[in-house]
Amino acid sequence: DAGVTQSPTHLIKTRGQQVTLRCSPKSGHDTVSWYQQALGQGPQFIFQYYEEEERQRGNFPDRFSGHQFPNYSSELNVNALLLGDSALYLCASSLPLAGASPDTQYFGPGTRLTVL
Amino acid sequence: AQTVTQSQPEMSVQEAETVTLSCTYDTSESDYYLFWYKQPPSRQMILVIRQEAYKQQNATENRFSVNFQKAAKSFSLKISDSQLGDAAMYFCAYRSAGNNDMRFGAGTRLTVKP
Repeated sequence: DAGVTQSPTHLIKTRGQQVTLRCSPKSGHDTVSWYQQALGQGPQFIFQYYEEEERQRGNFPDRFSGHQFPNYSSELNVNALLLGDSALYLCASSLPLAGASPDTQYFGPGTRLTVL
Repeated sequence: AQTVTQSQPEMSVQEAETVTLSCTYDTSESDYYLFWYKQPPSRQMILVIRQEAYKQQNATENRFSVNFQKAAKSFSLKISDSQLGDAAMYFCAYRSAGNNDMRFGAGTRLTVKP
């Protein structure tokens, strides 16, 4: 059973550039969430995609955008990169359950983005 | 806004001993979920345990158990019989029911001494 995969593992960009990060969800999962984890901090929610639509968004500027494909994989795009965008970007997939039990999010290994 | 606080940036435990990691949260919601995630140096976040707020019974997963005090908004993690492989960053997380925004604390770095 394949888990959540992310690519690339590491990425170095310069200020002002654009970047695309990719995520393949765990087999059978249809929901993908993206998080930004700055060094020494906990992850912060960027947005969540379900049925190819952005279902909810955290407190991130419009420079952060995403997409979900029919096969449930997802991309995170960041435009006009700033030094402060340097972080570990985590993707998590889940399969919402009926009833009161919370869907469990399974995380990928992350993409380390460095902006110079 | 919901916030999660982990007041212990670092903790240390002797192998085979027990350690408790603290977490408090602030919310006005009555229906929510709480999680503990482990992040080893490999960076991959792994779910350790979860608790539904409507359940009074504390969740347990093998050597891991929680002490959920809803009135005090406290959610501590107890690790029994600590093993070297337990060394990692531990994050407490909160999610309101019907909301997809999971809030994480700043984490506690756990060191296990042989």
